[in-house]
Amino acid sequence: GAVVSQHPSWVICKSGTSVKIECRSLDFQATTMFWYRQFPKQSLMLMATSNEGSKATYEQGVEKDKFLINHASLTLSTLTVTSAHPEDSSFYICSASRGGTSIAKNIQYFGAGTRLSVL
Amino acid sequence: AQKVTQAQTEISVVEKEDVTLDCVYETRDTTYYLFWYKQPPSGELVFLIRRNSFDEQNEISGRYSWNFQKSTSSFNFTITASQVVDSAVYFCALNAGNNRKLIWGLGTSLAVNP
Repeated sequence: GAVVSQHPSWVICKSGTSVKIECRSLDFQATTMFWYRQFPKQSLMLMATSNEGSKATYEQGVEKDKFLINHASLTLSTLTVTSAHPEDSSFYICSASRGGTSIAKNIQYFGAGTRLSVL
Repeated sequence: AQKVTQAQTEISVVEKEDVTLDCVYETRDTTYYLFWYKQPPSGELVFLIRRNSFDEQNEISGRYSWNFQKSTSSFNFTITASQVVDSAVYFCALNAGNNRKLIWGLGTSLAVNP
């Protein structure tokens, strides 16, 4: 169990367009999802924490109007990169954790990541 | 402040060697959790283990073992008889406080050569 699906795995887009990335927990309910950005050969940088049914909490320095996060259900969160520019090119990774009183509630299970290239 | 330090940036070993990846953490919380994740070249992070601060028992899972020592604030990871498929970046992470955020180390890139 604890499978997280992330789509697309790779996307190339033109500068100025918007890109939506989906993150789904396939076999568990994820009350909390996280969105990360990872630069080559670097650690993960948390962008935002998303709780089902409420607004995402963004980390300092992350533009919430640029990186729109929606967590409309217990199994789906989306990240939309609006008006993408070349500097937004990166590897974006989502993770999901179980909710409630689950003993495993703070374990994050990761999607396979999305490589975004903005031309 | 909370912090995770993985002092080894890159390690290269020959297949069948044992290798230990170091992780040192800092937190003032008395309740906390430590994690290890593996990120193979494909990019997907794989959860390996979670240990809470009240459980200092070492853990062994196949060729993997973990040594948690609160006295030195360390949570080291040993791979016995390494294999080429173990080649990956390994991240140590810390969760403390009332949220689920993870504090990540910078990762250790392990190359196991045939």
